[in-house]
Amino acid sequence: DTGVSQDPRHKITKRGQNVTFRCDPISEHNRLYWYRQTLGQGPEFLTYFQNEAQLEKSRLLSDRFSAERPKGSFSTLEIQRTEQGDSAMYLCASSPGRAGDSGANVLTFGAGSRLTVL
Amino acid sequence: GQNIDQPTEMTATEGAIVQINCTYQTSGFNGLFWYQQHAGEAPTFLSYNVLDGLEEKGRFSSFLSRSKGYSYLLLKELQMKDSASYLCAVRDLQGDKIIFGKGTRLHILP
Repeated sequence: DTGVSQDPRHKITKRGQNVTFRCDPISEHNRLYWYRQTLGQGPEFLTYFQNEAQLEKSRLLSDRFSAERPKGSFSTLEIQRTEQGDSAMYLCASSPGRAGDSGANVLTFGAGSRLTVL
Repeated sequence: GQNIDQPTEMTATEGAIVQINCTYQTSGFNGLFWYQQHAGEAPTFLSYNVLDGLEEKGRFSSFLSRSKGYSYLLLKELQMKDSASYLCAVRDLQGDKIIFGKGTRLHILP
């Protein structure tokens, strides 16, 4: 297993354009998380999935952000009508997250997708 | 609501010991994580505490007091490669949402 993969690693776009990021989690992991991180800050929670079900979406997120995990495997995060304030590193993480699992369910992060909005 | 506080920056000397504190106020609690993040890289898992007490793992130890909403990460025999940000994260009681603090940037001096 190659771990959590994210694509693209870097994206430069103009304000107002739409962008989409893809995350491929570790194959046996049921839970998938999206975070946003800016320089000098910790990861900010965006949303997470249990298999294909989106369990929670941050209230801080505007309607321009949407995420899907249609078959419970890979996930996409789309940002519509990008703004300069969207410039950040978008991190994806996955964890085993099996039902009834009382263990740590440690998150494994991907390398991230860096977005620059001009 | 949830709030996680940790110092913004700390400096320590190679070979020394440093303690990074984390306090949290959350509506529910189901475990606390510490992650290490080197500049430009993804966070990597260091430790997990769900019960009160000390968890030791080599040069790194983590402590939790649930009644005080307090944890610390203890790093011994500091090495230059320990220069990184250290992230405290709390798992919600319901579901599995994991919220991170802003991180503590640790600088190691030779």
